[in-house]
Amino acid sequence: ETGVTQSPTHLIKTRGQQVTLRCSSQSGHNTVSWYQQALGQGPQFIFQYYREEENGRGNFPPRFSGLQFPNYSSELNVNALELDDSALYLCASSLVRGGHLETQYFGPGTRLLVL
Amino acid sequence: AQTVTQSQPEMSVQEAETVTLSCTYDTSENNYYLFWYKQPPSRQMILVIRQEAYKQQNATENRFSVNFQKAAKSFSLKISDSQLGDTAMYFCAFMKAGGETSGSRLTFGEGTQLTVNP
Repeated sequence: ETGVTQSPTHLIKTRGQQVTLRCSSQSGHNTVSWYQQALGQGPQFIFQYYREEENGRGNFPPRFSGLQFPNYSSELNVNALELDDSALYLCASSLVRGGHLETQYFGPGTRLLVL
Repeated sequence: AQTVTQSQPEMSVQEAETVTLSCTYDTSENNYYLFWYKQPPSRQMILVIRQEAYKQQNATENRFSVNFQKAAKSFSLKISDSQLGDTAMYFCAFMKAGGETSGSRLTFGEGTQLTVNP
């Protein structure tokens, strides 16, 4: 167990709806990264949050947005859901120390199905 | 942009034997980290081993070791004394060093499904 938790574990939505996924980082970590993993593929980086601000973004449209809270937990919000958004969403927490981001530890993921 | 390639979609090994998973990467960076993660059917992505590019010595973690060839941009994982619990999808990943201002991200390969047979 990494100490990173995510909720919910599973979610079913319909096209056009909005969804919020949550992540609690490992104790002592100050950075949260989100990844999307489509079936049979490697995870793709969505964005990263550090000091409550977005600190790097992958090739995802603006309808993917996020937040980081003072306790370092984070939310991923997806608006106007599309069928292709069906995937496993992984959260990873890590520590930035001395200007370097250390190893990322993953939560169990949220499986999102868009119908 | 960095790319990571795993050329073996599937591999199998007998319990107690040794298996090597291959990974190559492409980058213009000089300072970076390489990782192997495993993802069992439970979906949890678990860190197996980490290698800093500036270290010439290959990383080892119990039964897991790597062969890091920086000039060849190759990073293979050797699993010794394979166990049934090693059955999982294995991902090779790259991360540029220095994350505070650049947003260090993991770039993953497509994965290798390893099956350990009894």
